[in-house]
Amino acid sequence: KAGVTQTPRYLIKTRGQQVTLSCSPISGHRSVSWYQQTPGQGLQFLFEYFSETQRNKGNFPGRFSGRQFSNSRSEMNVSTLELGDSALYLCASSPSGGGYGYTFGSGTRLTVV
Amino acid sequence: GIQVEQSPPDLILQEGANSTLRCNFSDSVNNLQWFHQNPWGQLINLFYIPSGTKQNGRLSATTVATERYSLLYISSSQTTDSGVYFCAVEPPNSGYALNFGKGTSLLVTP
Repeated sequence: KAGVTQTPRYLIKTRGQQVTLSCSPISGHRSVSWYQQTPGQGLQFLFEYFSETQRNKGNFPGRFSGRQFSNSRSEMNVSTLELGDSALYLCASSPSGGGYGYTFGSGTRLTVV
Repeated sequence: GIQVEQSPPDLILQEGANSTLRCNFSDSVNNLQWFHQNPWGQLINLFYIPSGTKQNGRLSATTVATERYSLLYISSSQTTDSGVYFCAVEPPNSGYALNFGKGTSLLVTP
């Protein structure tokens, strides 16, 4: 079966711009979580969606937002980009949230210049 | 919040050697997983192991929840085992958010 698909793989944006990243979960998985990975902070939880509802949010500013569609695909948006937003953004899907079956995509590497 | 500490931070092995990676966590958890991050950045789920022992080929893992640690064993290492190994825990009432350790960077040389 197809894995978790993230698009695009690489992205270069300018400070102040906004960006939208996409994540298509494994078929049948209804939970999608997003993580940010940076050399300094490591892997940090952004938010989790289940059946189009955000169930949990990490400690990130309001510039970071997301949504989930009825087909479980999810998007995350970062507005007013800052240099510090440069990171690898990973999404993971699971049948119902965390636990067994947690599968990550290959990530989107965002560079802000 | 819960602290997750992994050791060692870096490890260099010759092909064929065995190794043990450790993950200590500071409080009770609902879930513990081990991941391998390959050079392309993808996190591969190795084990879902909140307690007990599991084996998958050359890899095995043991979690002693009462003592708050987990071990990942790699036997007969291969160059393809290189990468970063992460331990991640799901604290109670975390809403499925995983807390990751800083990882162990493993390099296996021919």
